[in-house]
Amino acid sequence: DQQVKQNSPSLSVQEGRISILNCDYTNSMFDYFLWYKKYPAEGPTFLISISSIKDKNEDGRFTVFLNKSAKHLSLHIVPSQPGDSAVYFCAATLFFGNEKLTFGTGTRLTIIP
Amino acid sequence: DAMVIQNPRYQVTQFGKPVTLSCSQTLNHNVMYWYQQKSSQAPKLLFHYYDKDFNNEADTPDNFQSRRPNTSFCFLDIRSPGLGDAAMYLCATSRDFRTGVFQPQHFGDGTRLSIL
Repeated sequence: DQQVKQNSPSLSVQEGRISILNCDYTNSMFDYFLWYKKYPAEGPTFLISISSIKDKNEDGRFTVFLNKSAKHLSLHIVPSQPGDSAVYFCAATLFFGNEKLTFGTGTRLTIIP
Repeated sequence: DAMVIQNPRYQVTQFGKPVTLSCSQTLNHNVMYWYQQKSSQAPKLLFHYYDKDFNNEADTPDNFQSRRPNTSFCFLDIRSPGLGDAAMYLCATSRDFRTGVFQPQHFGDGTRLSIL
């Protein structure tokens, strides 16, 4: 039972344009959501997070949007840069008393120069 | 730089031969995690330590064990590796998540385990 789903295995975006990565979840008890970025031969690196009490969190070029009613979140990267080419994992967790991250299967983002 | 270090990066073992993967951290985090990630799949939590308190996931096979001799080190022992255990094993750490402040997990670069 895949509680966190990333339905697009890959995405290609022109440099300078907006990249939008999507994630859906099924467990309404999740109350914290994260995005991790992974380069080949490296471990995942924490990128940005959002609490379920918010609908938007922004950090520089990265913005995460949360739609609780639709159980959907998205990561926007604008403008996209070649260094953004990586695999992006969406993850979700219960905040208090449960540190378990439930990951999606990842989306490979390729930025085309 | 403070970090999470996994050794070795690549490990080859024979079917049924015990193998140990190691993880060390200089972040002084009190929580350490082990994940298994198979090709094109999501990382899956095997277990974690909250200080010395071991927490096993319900669906983690008995074949997988862990030791944490001190704050800095954590080991993953696979007692009798099967072909299905070939995967990337990721170690992660985080600060005390019971402080009321959300703490993201920090990952090492992983150990890729192959079974012959």
